[in-house]
Amino acid sequence: DAKTTQPPSMDCAEGRAANLPCNHSTISGNEYVYWYRQIHSQGPQYIIHGLKNNETNEMASLIITEDRKSSTLILPHATLRDTAVYYCIVRAVRGSQGNLIFGKGTKLSVKP
Amino acid sequence: DTAVSQTPKYLVTQMGNDKSIKCEQNLGHDTMYWYKQDSKKFLKIMFSYNNKELIINETVPNRFSPKSPDKAHLNLHINSLELGDSAVYFCASSLASHNEQFFGPGTRLTVL
Repeated sequence: DAKTTQPPSMDCAEGRAANLPCNHSTISGNEYVYWYRQIHSQGPQYIIHGLKNNETNEMASLIITEDRKSSTLILPHATLRDTAVYYCIVRAVRGSQGNLIFGKGTKLSVKP
Repeated sequence: DTAVSQTPKYLVTQMGNDKSIKCEQNLGHDTMYWYKQDSKKFLKIMFSYNNKELIINETVPNRFSPKSPDKAHLNLHINSLELGDSAVYFCASSLASHNEQFFGPGTRLTVL
């Protein structure tokens, strides 16, 4: 079972920042937070991951709370093409716990 | 060039038949995976291969068998197809078993 909790859906206006929350209160010290997204009828796409520090790449920013029990994925300027299901995944560094366990995700709808 | 490719994109077949889905990656990755996404959109890992060695085998029926002729390919063979096997199957690859995974476009299997 997924170790994360996400809201089932969110809306965002085009051009505005999309902030997607994720709770992972049972995260272990050796587990990373990964974000993937799945645009309709496509395979999942890696976005970003982090351990405890905030991370930023060309797609998004990841903010992890100090206690690591929750995180937020930020898409700074959402476009219509960002409409997708976003998955927050907690993943270990070693062993079978390194599997990607997908939950239900958050369906983000970016509206014009 | 497509990084992870799957063939066929669509597969419609009768119950009881045997079918194969092919997957190829040109990323030079060491680990490849198969996932199943059912009608409720839950995405679950089925298998992974690392250097021709099966390292993960989730609780899937033994009618499903992954076969890797070389590091760039991981094919999925399914014997005695059942109605419940209807789903979208995604292949993925990663540089190592705990790096980010790159997914193929999926194969929609429909069993009649």
